[in-house]
Amino acid sequence: AQTVTQSQPEMSVQEAETVTLSCTYDTSENNYYLFWYKQPPSRQMILVIRQEAYKQQNATENRFSVNFQKAAKSFSLKISDSQLGDTAMYFCAFREDSSYKLIFGSGTRLLVRP
Amino acid sequence: NAGVTQTPKFQVLKTGQSMTLQCAQDMNHNSMYWYRQDPGMGLRLIYYSASEGTTDKGEVPNGYNVSRLNKREFSLRLESAAPSQTSVYFCASSEGYTSGDSYEQYFGPGTRLTVT
Repeated sequence: AQTVTQSQPEMSVQEAETVTLSCTYDTSENNYYLFWYKQPPSRQMILVIRQEAYKQQNATENRFSVNFQKAAKSFSLKISDSQLGDTAMYFCAFREDSSYKLIFGSGTRLLVRP
Repeated sequence: NAGVTQTPKFQVLKTGQSMTLQCAQDMNHNSMYWYRQDPGMGLRLIYYSASEGTTDKGEVPNGYNVSRLNKREFSLRLESAAPSQTSVYFCASSEGYTSGDSYEQYFGPGTRLTVT
């Protein structure tokens, strides 16, 4: 069965610094997609970044980038120049190419300190 | 564009009562989903509808039913609410499914349901 593991329940970072959130997953498939979603206190789920497994280049979106290690089944999120508005729960999610199902990790609560 | 809307935002039920959570999207998406989020856990799929006229069970379907009323609307019904169904419920939609496409799921704001 596919699983997504986020081993850091909570993290804290000083404003303007860099933080990395970890995610590992398990699958026997070769084609799949990985996502990081942000959930601020408003509860709204917001897509931060996505990565296609067939792409070797790591995805970047402004201050957000990923380190995708396919062999290690690792997909970490790096947030540069952290801002107070980055305070939120962050969920890693996974979907196999052959499935509709989006599987979520348990989340990492990130606090950005002023 | 409102995106994905859900009603109500909050609801308190007594054990055994029934209710329907409503969801609508205005993005002309083919696929829609219902998730629940429990404390300390990620979202888990309850049911999904790949396209209008079809529905399928997800990871945790017991105690729920769904109706894909039309392309825009996808409702979730609790026939006899139980305290274990206390959760935050999210509806989501996506363009659909095509092999090779990393479609994005767009989420509604959620409904906080408490069953006493």
